[in-house]
Amino acid sequence: QKEVEQNSGPLSVPEGAIASLNCTYSDRVSQSFFWYRQYSGKSPELIMSIYSNGDKEDGRFTAQLNKASQYVSLLIRDSQPSDSATYLCAVNKRDTGNQFYFGTGTSLTVIP
Amino acid sequence: NAGVMQNPRHLVRRRGQEARLRCSPMKGHSHVYWYRQLPEEGLKFMVYLQKENIIDESGMPKERFSAEFPKEGPSILRIQQVVRGDSAAYFCASSLTANYEQYFGPGTRLTVT
Repeated sequence: QKEVEQNSGPLSVPEGAIASLNCTYSDRVSQSFFWYRQYSGKSPELIMSIYSNGDKEDGRFTAQLNKASQYVSLLIRDSQPSDSATYLCAVNKRDTGNQFYFGTGTSLTVIP
Repeated sequence: NAGVMQNPRHLVRRRGQEARLRCSPMKGHSHVYWYRQLPEEGLKFMVYLQKENIIDESGMPKERFSAEFPKEGPSILRIQQVVRGDSAAYFCASSLTANYEQYFGPGTRLTVT
């Protein structure tokens, strides 16, 4: 079983819509959760971090964490074509040091 | 530029040569991580270092690969006797403290011919 699982997509949404990206993780001791955006040929860029249950909002982005169900999601409101990228979910477990486990990413395309 | 720096950005090596990848963390960061990304695959953790110490090298192949983060200078990932399967993008990330947000450098694209 993979530590972190994401639907690879591709996910297509029209411009201005809400894009919803989901991620599940296997280990309940996971402590910290992160969303990264990666454009083709570029390095991952940190979008959001979330450490406790509930929602965390930053501009057009909202991260949602549900530790009981072991999932974390990212909502992108008012999606723009520039949001088209691969979104990586990462999970950190304190008992394995500082190793981050990354999902394989969900490819998002925002259609103008 | 206060971000994570990596060099070279592109590196071409012939089979059997050595590849040396460098990473300078963000200013104030003392935690460095190396990842490998193959085409169409996710990021794979390789090694986690602090100054002069390897904290976790569980993701790094035991042969041909080594990493260091000396007291002075950048962190270095060294691959000896490269093979075609080593062709990948190698990313370095740094963080302020353990279990905290990691920031990535631009990566080194290694091609083994």
